[in-house]
Amino acid sequence: SQTIHQWPATLVQPVGSPLSLECTVEGTSNPNLYWYRQAAGRGLQLLFYSVGIGQISSEVPQNLSASRPQDRQFILSSKKLLLSDSGFYLCAWSPRTDTEAFFGQGTRLTVV
Amino acid sequence: GENVGLHLPTLSVQEGDNSIINCAYSNSASDYFIWYKQESGKGPQFIIDIRSNMDKRQGQRVTVLLNKTVKHLSLQIAATQPGDSAVYFCAENWAGGFKTIFGAGTRLFVKA
Repeated sequence: SQTIHQWPATLVQPVGSPLSLECTVEGTSNPNLYWYRQAAGRGLQLLFYSVGIGQISSEVPQNLSASRPQDRQFILSSKKLLLSDSGFYLCAWSPRTDTEAFFGQGTRLTVV
Repeated sequence: GENVGLHLPTLSVQEGDNSIINCAYSNSASDYFIWYKQESGKGPQFIIDIRSNMDKRQGQRVTVLLNKTVKHLSLQIAATQPGDSAVYFCAENWAGGFKTIFGAGTRLFVKA
């Protein structure tokens, strides 16, 4: 069966520090991968999606970036965090574009 | 489009009653729709989906209705239980679109 792992679960980082969140999927190949952000009490905002290794599409301009160095690995990064980067970050995968997505447990990031 | 800037609307129902959660989607070309349930501090989980060639689909205690004329989607939960308390999101997807767009979400409270 397929599983998605996302870590860490919680993270407190100072303003201006770098960020690296990692997500890996097991039990499938060539998945579509997604990073979403969710502000407290709000909906999900799509940040990045990837349909293959090295292929990243950005949905919103910001100081975050994403990379897909391996087929089942998706990384969200920042060189310098802002207070506004605080939120709940969710990684997800789907086997195709017209199927449901499966989400990780999320990372709660607090920038202080 | 994405309603990520809105606070979540809330629906409060009595245990045992039926719940109806509504969603308006944005893209008339969308041909696949999904409902997700998100419990506090967790990632969204798939509930039920429907494709545009259908107007109704039933699952266990849940029914999704699709009205393409007015671009409206609804989720009906029968005999609502305390465990149904969560935030519910609708999502839309379209052929050729490599991403899923989420609605703003509705918070469901179930009163015992």
